[in-house]
Amino acid sequence: EAGVAQSPRYKIIEKRQSVAFWCNPISGHATLYWYQQILGQGPKLLIQFQNNGVVDDSQLPKDRFSAERLKGVDSTLKIQPAKLEDSAVYLCASSLARGAYGYTFGSGTRLTVV
Amino acid sequence: AQKVTQAQTEISVVEKEDVTLDCVYETRDTTYYLFWYKQPPSGELVFLIRRNSFDEQNEISGRYSWNFQKSTSSFNFTITASQVVDSAVYFCALSEAQTGGFKTIFGAGTRLFVKA
Repeated sequence: EAGVAQSPRYKIIEKRQSVAFWCNPISGHATLYWYQQILGQGPKLLIQFQNNGVVDDSQLPKDRFSAERLKGVDSTLKIQPAKLEDSAVYLCASSLARGAYGYTFGSGTRLTVV
Repeated sequence: AQKVTQAQTEISVVEKEDVTLDCVYETRDTTYYLFWYKQPPSGELVFLIRRNSFDEQNEISGRYSWNFQKSTSSFNFTITASQVVDSAVYFCALSEAQTGGFKTIFGAGTRLFVKA
């Protein structure tokens, strides 16, 4: 079974620029999550999708972050404009359903904002 | 309020030693789930175990074992006869039900160094 695919693996941008990350979950996984992991901290949930609908985006900084999951499969997370404090690893995860199942995580995108 | 505390920031052991990673959680719910994940240097979080709040049986999987105690709100993880490949950051996580599904929060992680 293929895992959760994320791209790019690394990204370096200047502050105030825009950036987008892509995630392809495991086939058949209805629930998709984006987490932000700042160096030395645990992952923090940004947004949770169930199919193509948003379940929880309470911690998403909506003035600069946006995410979509068209057709309930792939998802993109965008930051516009980026700030220095957005430097982190952005992890995508998926699970079969909305229950409290273990997640399958991708390798993440390491973003550096300079 | 939902909270997960991993008080040990870093632990260093010598290969073949046993090591216990502590996890203490806070929740107001009676139904919840606890998890442990491993994050090796490659960066990908790997699911290790899930426990629901009604099942306090300890679990053993090879060299890994987990001790769940509701009385102390703890879900500790022990690695027996540690190996260099166990070196990673380990995260404890807590899931509670919310409108639309479950919300999972992670502790800050414990970095384990296993020296040969």
